[in-house]
Amino acid sequence: QSALTQPASVSGSPGQSITISCTGTSSDVGGYNYVSWYQQHPGKAPKLMIYEVSNRPSGVSNRFSGSKSGNTASLTISGLQAEDEANYYCSSYTTSITFVVFGGGTKLTVL
Amino acid sequence: EVQLVESGGGLVKPGGSLRLSCAASGFTFSSYTMTWVRQAPGKGLEWVSSISSSSSYIYYADSVKGRFTISRDNAKNSLYLQMNSLRAEDTAVYYCARLESSGYYCAYWGQGTLVTVSS
Repeated sequence: QSALTQPASVSGSPGQSITISCTGTSSDVGGYNYVSWYQQHPGKAPKLMIYEVSNRPSGVSNRFSGSKSGNTASLTISGLQAEDEANYYCSSYTTSITFVVFGGGTKLTVL
Repeated sequence: EVQLVESGGGLVKPGGSLRLSCAASGFTFSSYTMTWVRQAPGKGLEWVSSISSSSSYIYYADSVKGRFTISRDNAKNSLYLQMNSLRAEDTAVYYCARLESSGYYCAYWGQGTLVTVSS
């Protein structure tokens, strides 16, 4: 069982918006603004999409946004496009035994 | 351009050993914390281990503690993962990544190297 909880799958139609949640505890998501989000297409390495809860790296579309409330972080993708279909993982710094933890991943299907 | 290139993966029998390497270029390697992340076939990402820039701080996931050893050679711009007592559940693609200590995120990843533990 992953330390951070994500829904296994979400779906949306082109042009719509979707939100993926990532629930942790006060030892990770809730305690620090060190939540990041990664996109991974099959057979490819993960790509950083959001860091420190809501910051976008250079080159990442502004259709991607991040937020946090309490122990739950969220990734929102607006104006869904076919190329957004991928697996998405959240990650957080943690003060538990481990150092960094990942969520179990969410498969996004663009209908 | 930041580049991370892993090598050393392959097929190994249960109980065996393997050493992964990650060659870094395009940045000042000695200034960054480095990390290994793995992904079992069809599964999610799992953080494995991290090492600070000067090797002063080292962290391991419980699943590999006591069996894996992370190290680095700043003169050679290289990161290593020595894996001993390998188990079938260690079968995965192993990624090398640069960890931004300011925010605990990985902005740069290698392409991964596959480790298969099977008899």
